[in-house]
Amino acid sequence: DIQMTQSPSSMSVSLGDTVTITCRASQDVGIYVNWFQQKPGKSPRRMIYRATNLADGVPSRFSGSRSGSDYSLTISSLESEDVADYHCLQYDEYPRTFGGGTKLELK
Amino acid sequence: QVNLLQSGAALVKPGASVKLSCKASGYTFTDYYIHWVKQSHGKSLEWIGYINPNSGYTNYNEKFKSKATLTVDKSTNTAYMELSRLTSEDSATYYCTRTGDYWGQGVMVTVSS
Repeated sequence: DIQMTQSPSSMSVSLGDTVTITCRASQDVGIYVNWFQQKPGKSPRRMIYRATNLADGVPSRFSGSRSGSDYSLTISSLESEDVADYHCLQYDEYPRTFGGGTKLELK
Repeated sequence: QVNLLQSGAALVKPGASVKLSCKASGYTFTDYYIHWVKQSHGKSLEWIGYINPNSGYTNYNEKFKSKATLTVDKSTNTAYMELSRLTSEDSATYYCTRTGDYWGQGVMVTVSS
């Protein structure tokens, strides 16, 4: 199975920060990486698809990038509503695999 | 609008089975696979498998092959996942999702005597 190693597992942040979360794939998954946001008690919400594409309705302060096998989600000018858990997912191969998740917490 | 409505929370005894439902609306049910995802301890997500509602073809994560059975009822636009021989390790929230773009609200399964 493809491993998605996500870092950091948690991050203490301040409003207005630029935040970057990374997933490293254990083998080539091409552009087939999604990023999800999840708030407590809620379902995941797709934020980024195909590594760099903003999903419908997602604010432009969110962006996705790829460098080799490293995939990043960046949030510019963090707002309070962005404080949540974030998950990456590779969907190049089955079984689909998620990263371990990143929890953003306010300082 | 697209909606996936999952059945309510379940409290089940060890060794028993439970069948979860996911009713789709707002789109053509047979046009999109339905995937199921497990979330334990409120953090990590695990992909269980998917079903093609048109053909009934299924693809399972090897880890869940003897645990989960995915089916659909095209007449009611509903996908099902049956979990068998439940243990405490199966206590989790389970989500259905239409290829990741739309998600059900999740259903908490608690396995306890």
